[in-house]
Amino acid sequence: EAQVTQNPRYLITVTGKKLTVTCSQNMNHEYMSWYRQDPGLGLRQIYYSMNVEVTDKGDVPEGYKVSRKEKRNFPLILESPSPNQTSLYFCASSPWTGYEQYFGPGTRLTVT
Amino acid sequence: AQSVTQPDIHITVSEGASLELRCNYSYGATPYLFWYVQSPGQGLQLLLKYFSGDTLVQGIKGFEAEFKRSQSSFNLRKPSVHWSDAAEYFCAVLNSGGSNYKLTFGKGTLLTVNP
Repeated sequence: EAQVTQNPRYLITVTGKKLTVTCSQNMNHEYMSWYRQDPGLGLRQIYYSMNVEVTDKGDVPEGYKVSRKEKRNFPLILESPSPNQTSLYFCASSPWTGYEQYFGPGTRLTVT
Repeated sequence: AQSVTQPDIHITVSEGASLELRCNYSYGATPYLFWYVQSPGQGLQLLLKYFSGDTLVQGIKGFEAEFKRSQSSFNLRKPSVHWSDAAEYFCAVLNSGGSNYKLTFGKGTLLTVNP
């Protein structure tokens, strides 16, 4: 089944404790992206990747890092999480030949 | 910069009634437009998309949307709502320029369906 998977789905952590949210897609898509969703603000793009080893900032990149060492994986790294990063995070992927983005199930992160 | 406005934060309809969710966009070029649905605790599912051609597009679950360039609108419609349609709906426009296929989303419309 074609899909985007994210792990973990739920995470509660404390301020300053490094964490990684994994994202993997099995559709051989070149483009991948991370969004965060906050009440009243909708979804905003954090980082994106056009292909392996090619990443760039989206609209709200502060406090986040990403890497793209393999085509299928695009982890989101929070090196020193803060409470304002409490949010619902979505990973998405898309092929270059089309514009439709496929979303993962989301990761709900709480930073206390 | 592109933007999407969904004027209605919350809409309540009765089961079996018709539905129209409004979406207005701002984009300089020909827009690529999408409607996504998010059920409680779920991810985003694509309902339908418009790239070009026929301005009335059909999607899944009986939804359709009409692109009106003169009004910069892409409203979502369904003739008869089912209780399972209760969810949050997001309109989005794709930034197809350059290398970032960023989706700019509206802030969503929450749909409540009364029995």
